[in-house]
This record gives sequence, structure tokens and C-alpha cells, in this order.
Amino acid sequence: QVQLVQSGAEVKKPGSSVKVSCEASGGTFNNYVITWVRQAPGQGLEWMGGVIPMFGTANSAQKFQGRVTLTADKSTSTAYMELTSLRSEDTAVYYCASGSFSIAPTTGTRYYYGVDVWGQGTTVTVSS
Amino acid sequence: DIQMTQSPSSLSASVGDRVTITCRASQGIRNDLGWFQQKPGKAPKRLIYATSTLQSGVPSRFSGSGSGTEFTLTISSLQPEDFATYYCLQHNSFPWTFGQGTKVEIK
Repeated sequence: QVQLVQSGAEVKKPGSSVKVSCEASGGTFNNYVITWVRQAPGQGLEWMGGVIPMFGTANSAQKFQGRVTLTADKSTSTAYMELTSLRSEDTAVYYCASGSFSIAPTTGTRYYYGVDVWGQGTTVTVSS
Repeated sequence: DIQMTQSPSSLSASVGDRVTITCRASQGIRNDLGWFQQKPGKAPKRLIYATSTLQSGVPSRFSGSGSGTEFTLTISSLQPEDFATYYCLQHNSFPWTFGQGTKVEIK
């Protein structure tokens, strides 16, 4: 089963950017959707978006569009989440999580199976 | 966007109690729903996928049901290790959305 290991905690100034990595091992990176979820202190889980390494495509929540970039490097089985123009409200734990998908052979339609395995989380603190 | 309304937001229960948590989707999501358990300071853990399929290694006291727009997570006999926060997640269409969470506390 895949395991996900995320990069370490970050402290950033307002207006700067952060890039969090998520390295996958023990599975076939191309077979997954890597999803990014964040959790502000004392709050619930918030879906940010996901990237499909096989296709190099990504979807993100409208709230983050223009500020978030989700990428994947198949050569290193590593996904990245970069968030720009940071503000204090971006202080949160950021998780990556993997889930599988399938492709209908006749139509090419993709079906997603949600998220299964989670990384350990990366704390991002935005403070002046 | 599909909204997921989860209820209750919190509940108090005793060991051995039967607990039910509900998620209601703003539109039909077939059975594209999972349930997660999160303990303080830890990453979430999936308990149920495809509405009612138990994740490997998860105790059988956990079960899921529903279809379309209404979904339920049931813990048949609450155990001390089950005190945690529970979330549903719909993955039928983008953006995927979580319920607001249900904190299960000790009575």
C-alpha cells in the first residue's frame, strides 16, 4: 500500500508563498489522484484540490484558484502544493492524501474512489 | 458545488451506546461517499468507502448506509477509542466537499 511522507513545518510571512511536498512510496504513483486537504486550528477539513500524475491535470476549489498550484513529478513520485499570497487565515495543517481512479475503456470517463491513505500533515504558520 | 450537511455537530454518548451520524448532500451523489475518523493531532483515517464498504482493519461495529442524498454512519456499540471527530466526504463531482464534522464526546 502506498505511504505518503510530507515535508516539514513552515513559518511564512504574509504575502509570501509556501510549497509543500508529498512523496509517495510503496505504490504506483501513476495510479493515484493526490488530493490536498487543509485544516485550520480548531476547524474542519477543507478540500483544496487534487492532481492526477498520470495526466498532469489538476482541479482546485474555486476559493483557491489563482493562488494554488498543484503539480506532480512522476520521476520522483512526489506531489507538490504551492500556495501564494499567504495571509494569516492560511495558517493550517496541510494534508496530502491518495485515492485511486479508473477509466472507462469505451468512453474514457474517469471514476474517482475518494481518498484513502493520508500523509502525516504539514503545519504552515503565517505570521508577521 | 455540492454541499454536505452533517449532523449533529457534536454529541455526548456513553461506552456501549449506539451512535448515528448523518450527512445530507445538496444533490444526488450516487454512493460516492466516504467516512473518516480523526483524533486530535492526527491525520484522518478512512472508515467506510463507497457509502457502505468497511475499510480493511476497521472494526465491524462501524457501518455505513444510504444512497442519493442521505447517508449515515453508525457505531453499533461505542468503545473508548471511538471518541473522535467524524467527517463525510463526497467525491462524486468536483469540488469534492466534506461535511462539517461531528465530535463524539464522552458523556
